[in-house]
Amino acid sequence: SQKIEQNSEALNIQEGKTATLTCNYTNYSPAYLQWYRQDPGRGPVFLLLIRENEKEKRKERLKVTFDTTLKQSLFHITASQPADSATYLCALDFLASGGSYIPTFGRGTSLIVHP
Amino acid sequence: KAGVTQTPRYLIKTRGQQVTLSCSPISGHRSVSWYQQTPGQGLQFLFEYFSETQRNKGNFPGRFSGRQFSNSRSEMNVSTLELGDSALYLCASRRKLAGDQETQYFGPGTRLLVL
Repeated sequence: SQKIEQNSEALNIQEGKTATLTCNYTNYSPAYLQWYRQDPGRGPVFLLLIRENEKEKRKERLKVTFDTTLKQSLFHITASQPADSATYLCALDFLASGGSYIPTFGRGTSLIVHP
Repeated sequence: KAGVTQTPRYLIKTRGQQVTLSCSPISGHRSVSWYQQTPGQGLQFLFEYFSETQRNKGNFPGRFSGRQFSNSRSEMNVSTLELGDSALYLCASRRKLAGDQETQYFGPGTRLLVL
């Protein structure tokens, strides 16, 4: 069965450093990979989407890489700020029987940025 | 544009009761998906509705059901509640990005506690 793994341990870093979060998957050939941010008690917020034929995507301080050979995505936040503290979820889209893409989510990694 | 809205935000029920949760997608979005989020299992897909029809279904028992109305508003129902149904229930509407890429916009969720 499909499996998505994100580091369950919280990542603690100092303000200004680059945070790197990892998403590994098995038994999957996803069309897309997405990253979401989730704050406590709130719904996830979409950040970035990367296609299987794209190696890298950037948006402001965010960068996502997607290596379909390693079955891994890395999510980077440069010049991190305390406001970046949240749980970050990786989601892989697969084509469901109904003809639409359904995201399957990892458990998420908590990022804590210390001032 | 208003975001995805969900009501109620918090709910306490007892075992054996049934519950109905409501979701209004972003105006113009015709697809609504429902997810269950628990600390143990993470974010899990329940079902997706498009134009009043269930398009995809996750791996949940028949006690979980839903429907969508002609105005795209959706409801989900859980009958014969069990303690394990305590969770954050999230609704998301689907939005197209460039090309055939899509992403999900999540509501704030309904926190259900079953006693």
